[in-house]
Amino acid sequence: GNSVTQMEGPVTLSEEAFLTINCTYTATGYPSLFWYVQYPGEGLQLLLKATKADDKGSNKGFEATYRKETTSFHLEKGSVQVSDSAVYFCALSEAAGNKLTFGGGTRVLVKP
Amino acid sequence: SAVISQKPSRDICQRGTSLTIQCQVDSQVTMMFWYRQQPGQSLTLIATANQGSEATYESGFVIDKFPISRPNLTFSTLTVSNMSPEDSSIYLCSVNSGPSYEQYFGPGTRLTVT
Repeated sequence: GNSVTQMEGPVTLSEEAFLTINCTYTATGYPSLFWYVQYPGEGLQLLLKATKADDKGSNKGFEATYRKETTSFHLEKGSVQVSDSAVYFCALSEAAGNKLTFGGGTRVLVKP
Repeated sequence: SAVISQKPSRDICQRGTSLTIQCQVDSQVTMMFWYRQQPGQSLTLIATANQGSEATYESGFVIDKFPISRPNLTFSTLTVSNMSPEDSSIYLCSVNSGPSYEQYFGPGTRLTVT
């Protein structure tokens, strides 16, 4: 079956530091890949997505590239802010409109 | 993107009782999904609900415990039956929307069972 593995947190950073959250996946086909973010006390929001190999998703300064050869979709941001403190989830979907399989989530805490 | 609301936003219930959670979408959607997020955990899919057909449950989830209704293309309910403290979780509904069928989530229902 499908699975998503992401680095465990918490990840604690200082403001303006570089953030990387590793995500690798196992799937039988060619899934779509997503990053979702859950800010404290809020619901789950779609942060970015990529639907095929070598696609780069980007939003709010975050980027992730769909690497089929390494089955990875690592999330990066060059300069984090305190407001980026949240839990980040990597997820995959085998087909458009299909159910999501989530990774375990990574809590990120950015200190001023 | 779709706008999704859930009721109630939170509840505290006694063991052995049942709670029905409502999910309303501002546009017609074919598929709706129900997820559970246990404290400090990731999201796990409970079931997929299509309008006009029985919900499809994931392994480990059964209809008697989590009956789902899907009366039309904008609304669904999830009932958590005969609750125990282990059912304390956030329950989220989601739908597919947009040109790439991205999945959008409701704000969740935080359930505490005492």
